[in-house]
Amino acid sequence: DGGITQSPKYLFRKEGQNVTLSCEQNLNHDAMYWYRQDPGQGLRLIYYSQIVNDFQKGDIAEGYSVSREKKESFPLTVTSAQKNPTAFYLCASSGRNEQYFGPGTRLTVT
Amino acid sequence: AQSVTQPDIHITVSEGASLELRCNYSYGATPYLFWYVQSPGQGLQLLLKYFSGDTLVQGIKGFEAEFKRSQSSFNLRKPSVHWSDAAEYFCALISSGSARQLTFGSGTQLTVLP
Repeated sequence: DGGITQSPKYLFRKEGQNVTLSCEQNLNHDAMYWYRQDPGQGLRLIYYSQIVNDFQKGDIAEGYSVSREKKESFPLTVTSAQKNPTAFYLCASSGRNEQYFGPGTRLTVT
Repeated sequence: AQSVTQPDIHITVSEGASLELRCNYSYGATPYLFWYVQSPGQGLQLLLKYFSGDTLVQGIKGFEAEFKRSQSSFNLRKPSVHWSDAAEYFCALISSGSARQLTFGSGTQLTVLP
């Protein structure tokens, strides 16, 4: 089955620690995206990548970093510089115009 | 810059009743428009999309949406709601740039009463 996997589903970290969220796709899509979702705010774009070894900042990139070493993988690191990291994080990929989403990772930082 | 507005934060309907969720957009050209649905704690599932052509588009789960250029709207409809339709619904627009970024509305939470 083709799709997007995100792991883990729930993640807990202490304040001051960096944490990496995994996103893998087997849809052979060139473009991949990371979104953050907070209650009542819809989805906001963190980073996106249109091709391997290239990525661009989205609307709320501060405190986050990404890499795109393989077409299938687009991990997101939430650094200690992110002031409010607790949120639901969604990864997506697209071939032409449609974006397909993974199941999400809920990150809680205390 | 493009934007998407969903005026209704929360809508409650009875099971079997009809449903219409509103979506208005602001964009300088003909947009690519989408409706997604999200169940609690889950990712987003694509319901339907409009790129061009027939302004009434059919989607999955019995949903349809109508693109009205004169009103800058793309409202989602369903003739008879099922309890399983309770979820959050997002309208989205894609940018014309090469990055194909999605701009989302803030979502409409649908509650279905038995």
